[in-house]
Amino acid sequence: GQQVMQIPQYQHVQEGEDFTTYCNSSTTLSNIQWYKQRPGGHPVFLIQLVKSGEVKKQKRLTFQFGEAKKNSSLHITATQTTDVGTYFCAGKSGGSYIPTFGRGTSLIVHP
Amino acid sequence: DSGVTQTPKHLITATGQRVTLRCSPRSGDLSVYWYQQSLDQGLQFLIQYYNGEERAKGNILERFSAQQFPDLHSELNLSSLELGDSALYFCASTLGGGSPTDTQYFGPGTRLTVL
Repeated sequence: GQQVMQIPQYQHVQEGEDFTTYCNSSTTLSNIQWYKQRPGGHPVFLIQLVKSGEVKKQKRLTFQFGEAKKNSSLHITATQTTDVGTYFCAGKSGGSYIPTFGRGTSLIVHP
Repeated sequence: DSGVTQTPKHLITATGQRVTLRCSPRSGDLSVYWYQQSLDQGLQFLIQYYNGEERAKGNILERFSAQQFPDLHSELNLSSLELGDSALYFCASTLGGGSPTDTQYFGPGTRLTVL
């Protein structure tokens, strides 16, 4: 079945440093979504990427979808303590109704 | 606030018992998804219902069952509970039945502790 690998599992940064999490799928994806889960909270939808090579920005967050539609990344510039949380990618492939979630990357920002 | 509600927020019970978790989707959403989140397994998809019918099944144990009622709320029943069932259980809802571009809106979750 489809597998979505996400690395790293944890990332410690000093406030102001950049952060990147990577998502790789074993199969070609129809789209990929990114979610953020704050400590003690629930996953919250951030963005969706659909097109090959697509790049989208939300303030300090940059999301990329690979040309082959099998990988994606989320980059945060100049992290802030409010960025703390776990970032999940979720990809759908073929005719599946169900997104496959990566295990998430937990971002810890030290002030 | 996602508009998805889940009750109860916390549940503590003993091994061998049975519990029911409840989810109400966002107004207008027809699909409900159930997920289990534990520390070592991430978000595991359990089951999806669309407009009252089971649409997709994931890694759901035979001891677990779910249903979606005519008013579209859903219940997840967990029976013969084991210590390993302790986890956060989330439900999520979408407008449609699971098209590639559907966005999932998650509820606040139910934290189940089995002692």
